[in-house]
Amino acid sequence: GAVVSQHPSWVICKSGTSVKIECRSLDFQATTMFWYRQFPKQSLMLMATSNEGSKATYEQGVEKDKFLINHASLTLSTLTVTSAHPEDSSFYICSAREGGGGADEQYFGPGTRLTVT
Amino acid sequence: GEDVEQSLFLSVREGDSSVINCTYTDSSSTYLYWYKQEPGAGLQLLTYIFSNMDMKQDQRLTVLLNKKDKHLSLRIADTQTGDSAIYFCARGGATNKLIFGTGTLLAVQP
Repeated sequence: GAVVSQHPSWVICKSGTSVKIECRSLDFQATTMFWYRQFPKQSLMLMATSNEGSKATYEQGVEKDKFLINHASLTLSTLTVTSAHPEDSSFYICSAREGGGGADEQYFGPGTRLTVT
Repeated sequence: GEDVEQSLFLSVREGDSSVINCTYTDSSSTYLYWYKQEPGAGLQLLTYIFSNMDMKQDQRLTVLLNKKDKHLSLRIADTQTGDSAIYFCARGGATNKLIFGTGTLLAVQP
């Protein structure tokens, strides 16, 4: 159980275009989803936290107008990279939290590798 | 320095024990976690420990927590080549956020 999928697995796009990445919880309802980005050989940096039905909370230094997050349902969150630039090339990973008490266990998706040319 | 730090690299021989260390500065977290990341993949939760515990064992994995020194370690017994990956420690932050360490690349030599 507790499977999180991401689509696409990898994407190549041209500078100036927008790219949408989907994150789905397949067998549970995710009250909260998180978006991370990871540069090569580096750790994960949290970009934003999204709760179903409300606006995402962005971390300091993350442009909310550039990285649009929509958490439309308890099983789907999307991240749209608008007007992509080569420096946006990275590995984007989402995670989902089922909610409730206990350990704040997050289930991670397999990641989406974005390359902007 | 970083909030959560780890050594960058560890090399062990197959069958030996591996010990991956992690230090942190903020001791307010309720839980501390260990995640495994294989190349090009997402993160897999290996284990976690409640902050009022000193040790937790789960099959080949042993987690030790020294709250006084703000030091967390993960011991993998009988390390196998399939254990080769990057290991991240993480602490739970406010609003259910996870703050990740810098990651340790574990290389297991056959």
